[in-house]
Amino acid sequence: DTAVSQTPKYLVTQMGNDKSIKCEQNLGHDTMYWYKQDSKKFLKIMFSYNNKELIINETVPNRFSPKSPDKAHLNLHINSLELGDSAVYFCASSQDMGLGLYEQYFGPGTRLTVT
Amino acid sequence: SQQGEEDPQALSIQEGENATMNCSYKTSINNLQWYRQNSGRGLVHLILIRSNEREKHSGRLRVTLDTSKKSSSLLITASRAADTASYFCATDAGTGANNLFFGTGTRLTVIP
Repeated sequence: DTAVSQTPKYLVTQMGNDKSIKCEQNLGHDTMYWYKQDSKKFLKIMFSYNNKELIINETVPNRFSPKSPDKAHLNLHINSLELGDSAVYFCASSQDMGLGLYEQYFGPGTRLTVT
Repeated sequence: SQQGEEDPQALSIQEGENATMNCSYKTSINNLQWYRQNSGRGLVHLILIRSNEREKHSGRLRVTLDTSKKSSSLLITASRAADTASYFCATDAGTGANNLFFGTGTRLTVIP
């Protein structure tokens, strides 16, 4: 049983296209996140959701739009893809949120390549 | 930036040796976590240490925290080839949320 799953695992697309990445967690967690990991392995938080509500948007371009249809799902839609969007995108979840107290469970990542 | 920094960026040791990685951060924190990432995989939580704790153990892992120096260290004892991975520290940066701000990572290679 995969705790946090993401689809697709690999995504190759051209500049200007719109794409989506899906994430699901079966842990019963209340909080979900999207991270971006660049080619230097630097991992940066993009969004966090708690009970389907957006909590944090860390200065991400509005071409990125997260959507949480329910607590178990957090999808990421990206419009007008740019070369700089190429990265590995990780979904994560935690039991709750507050003070960095909860460990996060990460999905396997989606490697996005924009050509 | 709330980003932490790990030191060294890369570490190569022989199997059986101990590996020590350091993490420094910039703002006050409530908690600090360490994660491991195998190549091409997601991150896996290793250990959490609270700001009022100075040391914590979990199996072959030992974590220390010095809030006065804004630094933490992760010690892996009796390393194994399977410990080869990147190791990241992450802090909440005192924001009150569970958002974690990750360091730049240490790439550990354990040579069999």
